[in-house]
Amino acid sequence: GENVEQHPSTLSVQEGDSAVIKCTYSDSASNYFPWYKQELGKRPQLIIDIRSNVGEKKDQRIAVTLNKTAKHFSLHITETQPEDSAVYFCAASIYGNKLVFGAGTILRVKS
Amino acid sequence: DAGVTQSPTHLIKTRGQHVTLRCSPISGHKSVSWYQQVLGQGPQFIFQYYEKEERGRGNFPDRFSARQFPNYSSELNVNALLLGDSALYLCASSLAGVYSDTQYFGPGTRLTVL
Repeated sequence: GENVEQHPSTLSVQEGDSAVIKCTYSDSASNYFPWYKQELGKRPQLIIDIRSNVGEKKDQRIAVTLNKTAKHFSLHITETQPEDSAVYFCAASIYGNKLVFGAGTILRVKS
Repeated sequence: DAGVTQSPTHLIKTRGQHVTLRCSPISGHKSVSWYQQVLGQGPQFIFQYYEKEERGRGNFPDRFSARQFPNYSSELNVNALLLGDSALYLCASSLAGVYSDTQYFGPGTRLTVL
């Protein structure tokens, strides 16, 4: 079955700097890759997603890149702000069914 | 527009007991998935239901079961509770299930097994 590895497990950045979180997946059939942000005690919230027919997608300060050949995808957050502090999860799936999540990255933005 | 709702918010049970968790999807969504999130880990897939039929099952024992009702709401049942079942149980809904990908999560039910 699918396996998703996520790195780093924790990431501390200074406010205004960029943050990058990387994930690799094992199942070449996976074609949908969402990223979720989860604040303490709250639900995972979708922040961006990418499908396998696209190599990059941007939404304001957030971007995701996908390399199907290498089976890895990355989340890029620019101009980080204290409110970006949270746990970020990547996931992989086939058409959105049975999301397989990474272990999560704790992002701390220091002001 | 209401999002995914779950009840109860918190639940405390003892080992061996049974629990039922409930989920109402976003209006118009026909697919519901259940995930278990143990503290410090990513959510793990338990079940997916679409149009009242099971469309996927994760690697969980038969003590876990679920169903979906005609109004697309869903129940997750766990029998013979173990300490290791303590977790946040998340429900997610999506539009059509099979080829519709985006899943939206509810706030979860925090289950504590003593």
